[in-house]
Amino acid sequence: SAVISQKPSRDICQRGTSLTIQCQVDSQVTMMFWYRQQPGQSLTLIATANQGSEATYESGFVIDKFPISRPNLTFSTLTVSNMSPEDSSIYLCSVERVAETQYFGPGTRLLVL
Amino acid sequence: ELKVEQNPLFLSMQEGKNYTIYCNYSTTSDRLYWYRQDPGKSLESLFVLLSNGAVKQEGRLMASLDTKARLSTLHITAAVHDLSATYFCAVGIGFYGGSQGNLIFGKGTKLSVKP
Repeated sequence: SAVISQKPSRDICQRGTSLTIQCQVDSQVTMMFWYRQQPGQSLTLIATANQGSEATYESGFVIDKFPISRPNLTFSTLTVSNMSPEDSSIYLCSVERVAETQYFGPGTRLLVL
Repeated sequence: ELKVEQNPLFLSMQEGKNYTIYCNYSTTSDRLYWYRQDPGKSLESLFVLLSNGAVKQEGRLMASLDTKARLSTLHITAAVHDLSATYFCAVGIGFYGGSQGNLIFGKGTKLSVKP
C-alpha cells in the first residue's frame, strides 16, 4: 500500500486568491495524479505529474489555472489559481503501485466564497 | 470519448438481501477498479481486476470483469449496514512506460443498507 498525506485538509478561501495543495507519499513513485471531486459528483482527472517533466493536463484543465510541481519522487503540489466559487471541490492526489492499484490521499476540501 | 456508466446510481437495500451493481465502459481496457467512499472520506481501494474473467472476493463483496462485454459487476451478498457507502468503478487507460495510466470514473452508486 501507500501512505499519502495532503495539506491542508480543508480551507475556506476568498475568490480571486490562490491555494497550493501539497501531497506527500511515504515512498518513491513515478506517477502522481491530481483529481477533482465536485460536490456530490464523481472524480475527474486534472493532470498527471511525472517527476522531471511537465505535467500533462486533461481536456478542460490548463496550466495557468492549475499549475503543478513535482520536484522529487515523493512530493507534488497543485495550485488552484484565481479561485471562483466554481472551484469549490475536493482535490485528491493519487499514486500508483504497478500491478497493485492507485491509492488516494485523504483529500483537500476547498470552499471558495 | 471513454464513458463509464454505473447503475444503479442509488440503491436502497434491506439487510440480508443480495444485489449487484453494474459498470459498463465504452472502450477497450483490461484494468477495472472498484473503490468505496464513505461520506467526507477519501477513496478506499476494494478490487483491481486485470484480466478477462477475473473474479475477486472480499467478505460480502465480489467483483468480476468481462472485458469482451466491457462489463464489471460488484455483487453484494447478505448486505449489512456497514456496507452503506458510495461505490465507484474506474477504468484504467493510457498505459505507457509501465504506468497504469489514468483512471476514468463512473458516477458512483450510493448504497444505503437499512435494518
